[in-house]
Amino acid sequence: KAGVTQTPRYLIKTRGQQVTLSCSPISGHRSVSWYQQTPGQGLQFLFEYFSETQRNKGNFPGRFSGRQFSNSRSEMNVSTLELGDSALYLCASSAPRVQETQYFGPGTRLLVL
Amino acid sequence: AQSVSQHNHHVILSEAASLELGCNYSYGGTVNLFWYVQYPGQHLQLLLKYFSGDPLVKGIKGFEAEFIKSKFSFNLRKPSVQWSDTAEYFCAVSSYNQGGKLIFGQGTELSVKP
Repeated sequence: KAGVTQTPRYLIKTRGQQVTLSCSPISGHRSVSWYQQTPGQGLQFLFEYFSETQRNKGNFPGRFSGRQFSNSRSEMNVSTLELGDSALYLCASSAPRVQETQYFGPGTRLLVL
Repeated sequence: AQSVSQHNHHVILSEAASLELGCNYSYGGTVNLFWYVQYPGQHLQLLLKYFSGDPLVKGIKGFEAEFIKSKFSFNLRKPSVQWSDTAEYFCAVSSYNQGGKLIFGQGTELSVKP
């Protein structure tokens, strides 16, 4: 099976702009979670989507949003970018069971100038 | 709130040395436990996981971990490390009914000297 794919892999934006990142889960996986990885804060949970509905949400401001499509592909959007949003954004997918293992994609590295 | 603590930020070992990385979590309910590894330039990969049953779990590449419920710990071990084990290791926890939300520790960077 193909793994989790994320596009784009690298992105440079300026403050105030917005950005959309895309994630395609492993075939058959219906849950997609997003994480932010920074040297200072480590890996932090952003949100999880299942069957096009947000199922869990982390402690991030409303500038961070996401959605999931009927084919389980997911996008996350960050509006009004700040310098502190520079990070590696990871997507993970899992099968819809109570005990789930998440499989991670390679990430999108976002640099905000 | 759930939290995960990894006690070692950076560990330096020589090849063939034994490894133990500590992980403690804070949560009162039933949890699922994971160790992930991130090799340089690569994405996060699952090393091993614990859901229930035998508290000693074996993973890939000779790694194992022991769940000690009374100590809220899930320490990672390997009897003999190799240079190729150089990577960052993350302990993670999810609550039983929130499998899609992983809480990660800060990570431990392991450097193995050849």
